[in-house]
Amino acid sequence: LAKTTQPISMDSYEGQEVNITCSHNNIATNDYITWYQQFPSQGPRFIIQGYKTKVTNEVASLFIPADRKSSTLSLPRVSLSDTAVYYCLVGDMGLIGAGNNRKLIWGLGTSLAVNP
Amino acid sequence: NAGVTQTPKFQVLKTGQSMTLQCAQDMNHNSMYWYRQDPGMGLRLIYYSASEGTTDKGEVPNGYNVSRLNKREFSLRLESAAPSQTSVYFCASSEGQRGTQYFGPGTRLLVL
Repeated sequence: LAKTTQPISMDSYEGQEVNITCSHNNIATNDYITWYQQFPSQGPRFIIQGYKTKVTNEVASLFIPADRKSSTLSLPRVSLSDTAVYYCLVGDMGLIGAGNNRKLIWGLGTSLAVNP
Repeated sequence: NAGVTQTPKFQVLKTGQSMTLQCAQDMNHNSMYWYRQDPGMGLRLIYYSASEGTTDKGEVPNGYNVSRLNKREFSLRLESAAPSQTSVYFCASSEGQRGTQYFGPGTRLLVL
């Protein structure tokens, strides 16, 4: 079963690029990698998802090396409003079930503080 | 378009009491999920429903039951609450099983 590891916290300043890396050494062939953002007293919010190589959307980029044992969420030019907890999620929802012992594995989250 | 709504927002129970957490989504999603979030433990899947009429256990189902009432609604029931069930509970939905999950605002439950 994949287990994810992320840094507990990171500090940055407005306008900088922030890279958060998640390790998932036992990732399975069918697993996707998804990143979520969570603000206090709110539910997580989807940022980006990928399977391999690089994915980019309007808010972030996701870099996945060929061996897929890690992934890096890149936030360009962060602002104060990007202060939040960021979660790495590894798994294949299509295989979840009591009969096949698959799980969605959430990381413990990285608390990002963006300073003025 | 309210997205995913959860009721109640906050609840205090005594050990042994029962309650049902309600969740509804208005995005016509097929799949719905219940998670609990505890400090230092991250998010853990309790139960999920891949489509209307089906439910299945997640990582931590013991002490909980669920009902997929219709396509919109997915409830979580604690038959006999225990202090270990003190947590924040999140409901989520997605169009398909591999789709982006949309989360509700959460229910904070305290069991004394």
